[in-house]
Amino acid sequence: EAQVTQNPRYLITVTGKKLTVTCSQNMNHEYMSWYRQDPGLGLRQIYYSMNVEVTDKGDVPEGYKVSRKEKRNFPLILESPSPNQTSLYFCASSPWDSMSGAPNEQFFGPGTRLTVL
Amino acid sequence: AQTVTQSQPEMSVQEAETVTLSCTYDTSESDYYLFWYKQPPSRQMILVIRQEAYKQQNATENRFSVNFQKAAKSFSLKISDSQLGDAAMYFCAYGPGGDDKIIFGKGTRLHILP
Repeated sequence: EAQVTQNPRYLITVTGKKLTVTCSQNMNHEYMSWYRQDPGLGLRQIYYSMNVEVTDKGDVPEGYKVSRKEKRNFPLILESPSPNQTSLYFCASSPWDSMSGAPNEQFFGPGTRLTVL
Repeated sequence: AQTVTQSQPEMSVQEAETVTLSCTYDTSESDYYLFWYKQPPSRQMILVIRQEAYKQQNATENRFSVNFQKAAKSFSLKISDSQLGDAAMYFCAYGPGGDDKIIFGKGTRLHILP
């Protein structure tokens, strides 16, 4: 089954304790992305990756790191989490559109609910 | 920078009626995509419909259709014959722009009244 998986689905942690949220897709998509969703703010892009070893900042990258060592995996790392990073996080992947040479519709993971105390 | 604006935080519609959700965006690009995503209470993000900016014809998917006005930078979603299962948060999204980012609006919560 084609899917994007995220782990963990729920996480409660404390300020300053490093954590990693994993994301994996089995569709051989080039483009992968992380978003955070907060009430009244919609989804905001944190980081995205066009392909292996190619990553770039989205609109809210502060406090986050990513890596793309393999095409299927795109982990999100919070080196020193703070309470303002409490949010719902989504990973997504997209195929390239052969006509436009650009990412197309996104396939989303189920989300990770993170609480930082 | 590109922006996406959904001016209706919440809307309600009677079951079986038609409702239109509005979305406007700002960009200097000529080639891009526009999307509507649905987020039901399960929080799963589901693609409803997409539109390529180079296509003049409005996209349709069963009961869902869009009114794409490129010059006005408007991309509204029309839901016909509304059903209880259509109740959800709907997000308009633009991208990728020249910087390959994807931009989402803040969402419109749609209530379906039985």
